[in-house]
Amino acid sequence: DTGVSQNPRHKITKRGQNVTFRCDPISEHNRLYWYRQTLGQGPEFLTYFQNEAQLEKSRLLSDRFSAERPKGSFSTLEIQRTEQGDSAMYLCASFPATGRGDNEQFFGPGTRLTVL
Amino acid sequence: RKEVEQDPGPFNVPEGATVAFNCTYSNSASQSFFWYRQDCRKEPKLLMSVYSSGNEDGRFTAQLNRASQYISLLIRDSKLSDSATYLCAEAYGGATNKLIFGTGTLLAVQP
Repeated sequence: DTGVSQNPRHKITKRGQNVTFRCDPISEHNRLYWYRQTLGQGPEFLTYFQNEAQLEKSRLLSDRFSAERPKGSFSTLEIQRTEQGDSAMYLCASFPATGRGDNEQFFGPGTRLTVL
Repeated sequence: RKEVEQDPGPFNVPEGATVAFNCTYSNSASQSFFWYRQDCRKEPKLLMSVYSSGNEDGRFTAQLNRASQYISLLIRDSKLSDSATYLCAEAYGGATNKLIFGTGTLLAVQP
């Protein structure tokens, strides 16, 4: 257990519905990343936060996707009007950004989304 | 060309064998590299960081070759429990530090 938690662990939804995932990072980590992983592929970067500021978004993050980290602690990722192509594992990663040179990211267990 | 490339395998090896994976990267400015292990339907877990001259942890050795832009992972005396997907990643984007992953290499250690 890395200390990063994600909820729910599994989500099945019908096409067109909205879904929201939550990530709770390691408490002292000020950076939080979202990735998406589809079958047979490595995780792909979606977006990241430094404290409450969202500093970068991938082109993969269409207008239907929005992420927030309102108080610089937990983060939410919302997908509106889900499509079958959104089916994937959504991973959250936490990173201390201490500047010490150790920059390993620690992943949560992921939320597996299935869009029917 | 993908930024990070790996042979997807599968690598089928007997217990006790030594197996090596390579991973090539295209961004010559990347500074940090990692090997993650991922079990089926689980999250990636950090196996080793790979800095400058590489490092060793028990049966696992990671090397970085900047001239040829690849990193490698060597597993000695393979165990059944080593069966998993091994993902290489580079930390990219300067201050962003986002991870760019390869597709992963599937290792199956057989009795």
